[in-house]
Amino acid sequence: NAGVMQNPRHLVRRRGQEARLRCSPMKGHSHVYWYRQLPEEGLKFMVYLQKENIIDESGMPKERFSAEFPKEGPSILRIQQVVRGDSAAYFCASSPVGISGANVLTFGAGSRLTVL
Amino acid sequence: KQEVTQIPAALSVPEGENLVLNCSFTDSAIYNLQWFRQDPGKGLTSLLLIQSSQREQTSGRLNASLDKSSGRSTLYIAASQPGDSATYLCAVNTGTASKLTFGTGTRLQVTL
Repeated sequence: NAGVMQNPRHLVRRRGQEARLRCSPMKGHSHVYWYRQLPEEGLKFMVYLQKENIIDESGMPKERFSAEFPKEGPSILRIQQVVRGDSAAYFCASSPVGISGANVLTFGAGSRLTVL
Repeated sequence: KQEVTQIPAALSVPEGENLVLNCSFTDSAIYNLQWFRQDPGKGLTSLLLIQSSQREQTSGRLNASLDKSSGRSTLYIAASQPGDSATYLCAVNTGTASKLTFGTGTRLQVTL
């Protein structure tokens, strides 16, 4: 079991470019979560998706950020027109069902975005 | 709004010492609490999960306790080793089926 796979692991973009981060959940997991960790801060929830549906995007910035989890393929977090403040580690996690009770999130190794 | 605080922010101990990391949360209506380990530049590794109905969980040299009524959890590490050096994160699940609320972590260094 390969676990939660994120790529790229490191991404460098110039201001104004687009960043696309990909996440393949664990086999058998149909729920995906994205978290962001800004320098010297804790992880903050961004968005929760199931296949083809956004369930909770309450943590997503209102502009420039979007996420999808298509029927086929990985989940993608897209950041348009990146700014320096977007520099952070973006973590993806997955679970077989929505987290509650005994369900545990499995995290990927993260994608580190640097905006020049 | 749930807030999670971890004290201390950083801790340095000599090898072999027993230590306690603290986590407090403001809303006691939680489903579970989870302790993670994060190594520099790496992802998160789940260490222990405590359900709201449980008081503690143990795994090897690690023991996590939960006092839901007072909004506190502790992670006890016995006989610390240099390999335990990492950042330890506490996260609570308030049962919304969508998100964990994380503390900012305790950075632990175990010296030889």
